[in-house]
Amino acid sequence: QKEVEQNSGPLSVPEGAIASLNCTYSDRGSQSFFWYRQYSGKSPELIMSIYSNGDKEDGRFTAQLNKASQYVSLLIRDSQPSDSATYLCAVNRQNTGNQFYFGTGTSLTVIP
Amino acid sequence: DGGITQSPKYLFRKEGQNVTLSCEQNLNHDAMYWYRQDPGQGLRLIYYSQIVNDFQKGDIAEGYSVSREKKESFPLTVTSAQKNPTAFYLCASSISGGRGGQPQHFGDGTRLSIL
Repeated sequence: QKEVEQNSGPLSVPEGAIASLNCTYSDRGSQSFFWYRQYSGKSPELIMSIYSNGDKEDGRFTAQLNKASQYVSLLIRDSQPSDSATYLCAVNRQNTGNQFYFGTGTSLTVIP
Repeated sequence: DGGITQSPKYLFRKEGQNVTLSCEQNLNHDAMYWYRQDPGQGLRLIYYSQIVNDFQKGDIAEGYSVSREKKESFPLTVTSAQKNPTAFYLCASSISGGRGGQPQHFGDGTRLSIL
């Protein structure tokens, strides 16, 4: 079983719609959760961090964490063509020497 | 501006050659990491270091070596033993785990190809 699993997509949404990206993780000891955006040919950039159950909002982005279900999601409201990228979910477990575990990413295309 | 600098941006390796990828950070982060990314794939951990003069193997360390002589620097050597080195190499850093799971930040990456 992979540490972090994401639906690879591709996910296509029309401009202005809500894009919903999902991630599950296997270890209940996971403590910190991150979403990164990676444009083609570029390095990942951090867009959201979440540490406790519930929702965290930052502009058009909302991260949702449910530790009981071992589930993290990212909602992008009012999707724009510039949001077209691969979104990586990452999980941090400090009991493994501060290693980070990444999903394989979900490719999102926002159609104008 | 604080950040992570990787160099070179593009690198070509000849058969039997060792090459070294540079990674320097001025964020005062304790932890540094090297990942490999193949086309359409996720990130795979090569090596990581939580403190100067100490480092651990990741999932795919064979054919690679690292050193951590200074807090700011974590160079990666791709040896001739790595038979399929063509990939996008990413260096990352984070504040140490003792401060509560802070995120990683990435450099711009180095693309390595075989000549």
